Amino acid sequence: DADVTQTPRNRITKTGKRIMLECSQTKGHDRMYWYRQDPGLGLRLIYYSFDVKDINKGEISDGYSVSRQAQAKFSLSLESAIPNQTALYFCATSNSHTQYFGPGTRLTVL
Amino acid sequence: AQSVAQPEDQVNVAEGNPLTVKCTYSVSGNPYLFWYVQYPNRGLQFLLKYITGDNLVKGSYGFEAEFNKSQTSFHLKKPSALVSDSALYFCAVRDDRNTGKLIFGQGTTLQVKP
Repeated sequence: DADVTQTPRNRITKTGKRIMLECSQTKGHDRMYWYRQDPGLGLRLIYYSFDVKDINKGEISDGYSVSRQAQAKFSLSLESAIPNQTALYFCATSNSHTQYFGPGTRLTVL
Repeated sequence: AQSVAQPEDQVNVAEGNPLTVKCTYSVSGNPYLFWYVQYPNRGLQFLLKYITGDNLVKGSYGFEAEFNKSQTSFHLKKPSALVSDSALYFCAVRDDRNTGKLIFGQGTTLQVKP
């Protein structure tokens, strides 16, 4: 969905480095989500936010942090990247029922 | 806890034949069910959803899904497959009414051969 953008699209980093993935949306949705996708595991929720003051952990939040800078922006940080955080990361936004996804960021941690 | 299962890792069909991608769910209360498609190097695209109403839901690109409460299934179908339908398909169920969180199946790769 072109209304949800993610930067960077691809990133290779080294173990121990700090990295930030950014997500922006023009859909005007309040709810935003970060997922990671691993082969054979589907998508798993990392964090979600209902507005700039409401941040919640998902099922796999360890090793990650987030910041909701504005209604339209939701960033995901890896404070000290490790190889098992190599994955495809998706941001999503939502109205009351349906989530709309960005194009994804492919992150490789060496 | 809510859960969803896609029993097939891969489905192979010939172009022009009907296709079915299976999904079963386990929820407490009324389910909100979704299908998404992921083309190579792309994000997930919303195909269709079931909230309430008719058991047969029509979605994008000619896809439809049938909600079956007694069998707790929500299979994705298309009468005539196209090569361009080849992609990874995810079934999902809403986990929580208040948060809108989705629980995803592991995905099914659909391969349509000419």
